[in-house]
This record gives sequence, C-alpha cells and structure tokens, in this order.
Amino acid sequence: DGGITQSPKYLFRKEGQNVTLSCEQNLNHDAMYWYRQDPGQGLRLIYYSQIVNDFQKGDIAEGYSVSREKKESFPLTVTSAQKNPTAFYLCASSTIPDMNTEAFFGQGTRLTVV
Amino acid sequence: KQEVTQIPAALSVPEGENLVLNCSFTDSAIYNLQWFRQDPGKGLTSLLLIQSSQREQTSGRLNASLDKSSGRSTLYIAASQPGDSATYLCAVKGDDKIIFGKGTRLHILP
Repeated sequence: DGGITQSPKYLFRKEGQNVTLSCEQNLNHDAMYWYRQDPGQGLRLIYYSQIVNDFQKGDIAEGYSVSREKKESFPLTVTSAQKNPTAFYLCASSTIPDMNTEAFFGQGTRLTVV
Repeated sequence: KQEVTQIPAALSVPEGENLVLNCSFTDSAIYNLQWFRQDPGKGLTSLLLIQSSQREQTSGRLNASLDKSSGRSTLYIAASQPGDSATYLCAVKGDDKIIFGKGTRLHILP
C-alpha cells in the first residue's frame, strides 16, 4: 500500500542531545514537509523540500535541520539548539508540478524532552 | 505572507444539529484548500480537497465551499454525531507551502 510512514511513534530526548525523526513515502511525491504541533495549536511549518537535494526553511526552522538525499526520504534532526523541542511532529508529502493534488500525512512522532 | 484563521476555536453542539466551521485566508493566490480531521494524539485525516477553480465539494454529510476571491471557506456538517467530535483543520496550498489554521475543536453532545 502507498503511504507515508513516520518513525518512531514516540521519542524521548535528553537535554543537549540531537535526535532524528524519520519520514518515508512511497507515493512518488516530489514535495515533502515537516510541521510541528503544540497542544491546542495548529501546524507550523519547519522545513519543506520540492526536489531532491534542495530544501527551504519554513516559519520555525531554528534549531532544526533536514536532508533530502532521496526522493522517498526527508529526515528531520532536532538539534540541541532547539530550546523547546517537546511537541508532536508531522510529516507530509504532495505532488508537484501538479499543484492541485492533496497532501498526505504520516501518523506523527511525539517527542518529549526528559 | 499567507495567514489562515479558523473561527470558532471551539464549538459544542447537541447531537443531530447542523453546523458550520469557518476558515479564512489572506492571500487568494492558492492552488487548493484542504479540510482535515484530527483526533486527540493522532495524525491528520483528509476530509475534502477543493481545487482553486471549484466552489464546493461534498462527501457524505460533509460539504465544503470555497470563495477564493474573498478568502473564505466553510465546512458544513449535517446531522452531527458524537463520532464527529474532533479538531478540524483547514490548510491552503500556495506556490510552495501548505499553511494551516489553528483548528476548531468540535464537541458533539450526546
């Protein structure tokens, strides 16, 4: 079945550690996105990529990094520079240049700093 | 910069009522608008996608409308049920980004 998979579902991080969240899709989508969701809030865009080896900062990129070495994969690293990383992280994908298709989402990773 | 606003932030209605959720956006240069449902602690489920050239889309008891020129969309839920209780999010797709509103938390009272 085609879809978008995020792992792990739950992740715990100690202060000062970097952690990497995985996002893989087999939908042959060009565009991929990372969002952060805090309790009672909407989704805020962290990074997005429209093509392999290229990505752009979203509204809250500080303290995060990404790579896009393969079309299927868009991992997000939460670095120690991110002062408040506890949140729910969602990955999405969509097709381009046909911009009128829907976005598909993974089931999310809940990151907690301990 | 595109901004998306959803009103109301929360809504409680008795079971069986029809209801309307609102979404507004500041930049009308969008490709499409998508409505999602989110259950507590879960990911997003896509409900309806409206292309920029369309006025409305329907799926079962759900009907979404789009007025691109005025920057507004509504999600109409007919004959609400307790299972409809969730957070509803709208998202607009521009040249390269997908921007979300903060959502409406809906509670259907049995």
